[in-house]
Amino acid sequence: DIQMTQSPSSLSASVGDRVTITCQASQDISNNLNWYQQKPGKAPKLLIYGASNLETGVPSRFSGSGSATYFTFTITSLQPEDIATYYCQQYDNLPLTFGGGTKVEIK
Amino acid sequence: QVQLQESGPGLVKPSQTLSLTCTVSGGSISSRSYYWSWIRQPAGKGLEWIGRIYTSGSTNYNPSLKSRVTISVDTSKNQFSLKLNSVTAADTAVYYCAADYYYDNRFDYWGQGTLVTVSS
Repeated sequence: DIQMTQSPSSLSASVGDRVTITCQASQDISNNLNWYQQKPGKAPKLLIYGASNLETGVPSRFSGSGSATYFTFTITSLQPEDIATYYCQQYDNLPLTFGGGTKVEIK
Repeated sequence: QVQLQESGPGLVKPSQTLSLTCTVSGGSISSRSYYWSWIRQPAGKGLEWIGRIYTSGSTNYNPSLKSRVTISVDTSKNQFSLKLNSVTAADTAVYYCAADYYYDNRFDYWGQGTLVTVSS
């Protein structure tokens, strides 16, 4: 299985801050990576697909980049409604696997 | 807009079989654009992909669960189902069904999730 390691596991930032989350794959996955946002008690929501493509309707303050084994997810200006846990997911190989998640809180 | 809804018992006894159904609306489960997946999440933990089925009936399972899992599809009812046998407390989780886009395996659509507790 491809292991996806996210860091940090949690972070606290102020409204308006730039937030960056990293996701590292245990082997080269090209750009076969998606990012999701999950709010408490809700299903995950797709934000970024193919490492850097913004899903329709998702605010432009969210972005993704990277390839091979190293990926980043950025919120350029943190908003109160961005409080959630964020997950990366690889689809290069089966089984599909997720990172452990990064919980984002407001300072 | 595709919508998914999970249904099934919220409580299952240890060693028994967990059975869930996902009803798809706003789209056809026979679509060639999607796989239909099951994903679970224990309380306070991350997401685990269980497996998926395609309209043709072909399946893929997570090797960690493969010996206990069966996913099937009923195109006449626009539903797909999950069976997980020989459950233990470790199978207690929120179970989600999701539409997995065929071309890049992004989970575009999700059900709201259903909590299944394994307890006697």
